[in-house]
Amino acid sequence: RKEVEQDPGPFNVPEGATVAFNCTYSNSASQSFFWYRQDCRKEPKLLMSVYSSGNEDGRFTAQLNRASQYISLLIRDSKLSDSATYLCVVILLTGGGNKLTFGTGTQLKVEL
Amino acid sequence: NAGVTQTPKFRVLKTGQSMTLLCAQDMNHEYMYWYRQDPGMGLRLIHYSVGEGTTAKGEVPDGYNVSRLKKQNFLLGLESAAPSQTSVYFCASRPRRGGMETQYFGPGTRLLVL
Repeated sequence: RKEVEQDPGPFNVPEGATVAFNCTYSNSASQSFFWYRQDCRKEPKLLMSVYSSGNEDGRFTAQLNRASQYISLLIRDSKLSDSATYLCVVILLTGGGNKLTFGTGTQLKVEL
Repeated sequence: NAGVTQTPKFRVLKTGQSMTLLCAQDMNHEYMYWYRQDPGMGLRLIHYSVGEGTTAKGEVPDGYNVSRLKKQNFLLGLESAAPSQTSVYFCASRPRRGGMETQYFGPGTRLLVL
C-alpha cells in the first residue's frame, strides 16, 4: 500500500460546481497534513494546512479524519483558475527528522 | 528577490553523459532539497542539505551526487546519466525555523536522457 494515495482524476467539473478530493495515508503516526497546488509544468505551491478541526480559506475547506486516516479538500464555486493538480502532503516525525511524503496528485479541470 | 532559481530549465542528455543541475536561493535559507517528480509518483526526495558544507541522502539518492559549497547554492550531479533519470527535478529551500511545509520550490528542470 502506498504511503499516501490519491485518485488521479481528472475531475472535470463545470464552473461554479463544488468538488471534493480525498487522500488516504497509511501511517497512523503521521503528524502534519497539507494540500499543495501544482499548475501544469510549474512547481508545487502550498495551498493550505489541514487540521482535525477543519479549516477554511475562502472557497477552500480542508478536513482531517485521523480515525479513518484520510484528508479532504472541498472547493466551492469552482473557477476556471482552479484548474490544476492538487497534491496531498503528509509529514511523519521520525528519529532521523521529518519525513515529507507527497501524493501523486488529483487533477482538476474546471470547464465553462 | 528571485526566490529559488534552477539552471538549466530543460536539457537532453545521452546515456552515459554527465551534467550538473544548479539551484540557487537568495532567501538565506539554511535547508535545501532536491526532488524528482515522475508520472504516477509523488515528488521523491533525492538529497538534502541542512547547511553549508553538509549533505544527506534522501529516499532515492542512487546515481546522484550533491554539493553545498555555498549557502545559497545546491548542486545536483549526474555522473553517468541513465534513461531512468528522465524526470522533472525540483529544488526547494526553507528556513531552519519553519516546518517542512514552508519550503519554497524552484521552477523545475526537465531532463530527458536518451
